[in-house]
Amino acid sequence: GDSVTQMEGPVTLSEEAFLTINCTYTATGYPSLFWYVQYPGEGLQLLLKATKADDKGSNKGFEATYRKETTSFHLEKGSVQVSDSAVYFCALSDGANSKLTFGKGITLSVRP
Amino acid sequence: NAGVMQNPRHLVRRRGQEARLRCSPMKGHSHVYWYRQLPEEGLKFMVYLQKENIIDESGMPKERFSAEFPKEGPSILRIQQVVRGDSAAYFCASSPLLAGNTGELFFGEGSRLTVL
Repeated sequence: GDSVTQMEGPVTLSEEAFLTINCTYTATGYPSLFWYVQYPGEGLQLLLKATKADDKGSNKGFEATYRKETTSFHLEKGSVQVSDSAVYFCALSDGANSKLTFGKGITLSVRP
Repeated sequence: NAGVMQNPRHLVRRRGQEARLRCSPMKGHSHVYWYRQLPEEGLKFMVYLQKENIIDESGMPKERFSAEFPKEGPSILRIQQVVRGDSAAYFCASSPLLAGNTGELFFGEGSRLTVL
């Protein structure tokens, strides 16, 4: 079945540091890929998405590129802020019924 | 426009009791999804419902768990005879139509169930 693997966390960075969060996936078809973010005390929010190979999703300074050859969708940001502290989930959808398969999530803490 | 509303936010039950979790989707949304997040785990799909219909319940445990989304009122996730292993955060999400490959689900803040 479909699966999503995220790097182990948590991750702690200083403000303005470069961020990479790794995500790889296994899927039988051609899934769409997503990053969701969960701020403390809130529900998950869609951060960005990519629906086909080589697409780049971007939002709020975050980017991720759909790499079919490496089955990856790594999340990057050039300069993190304290307000980026949250839990980040990588996910895929096989398109059928919008059922999302999530990774375990990774907690990012950004120090001032 | 109110978001997805879940209640209660926190629920404590003793083993053997019943837990009922409610979810009101965003206005205009007719598709509801329930996910469970166990400690140190990602979100796991449980069930997908449209009004009065269960579309996909492949992630629901075979016993004790049920879900409904009536014509009027919120969606309900019901857990009978709870056990300690049911302790988790239960998230509801909604979408306006079949979201297909957009995958854009709108999540509630979750209901945290603790079984003593």
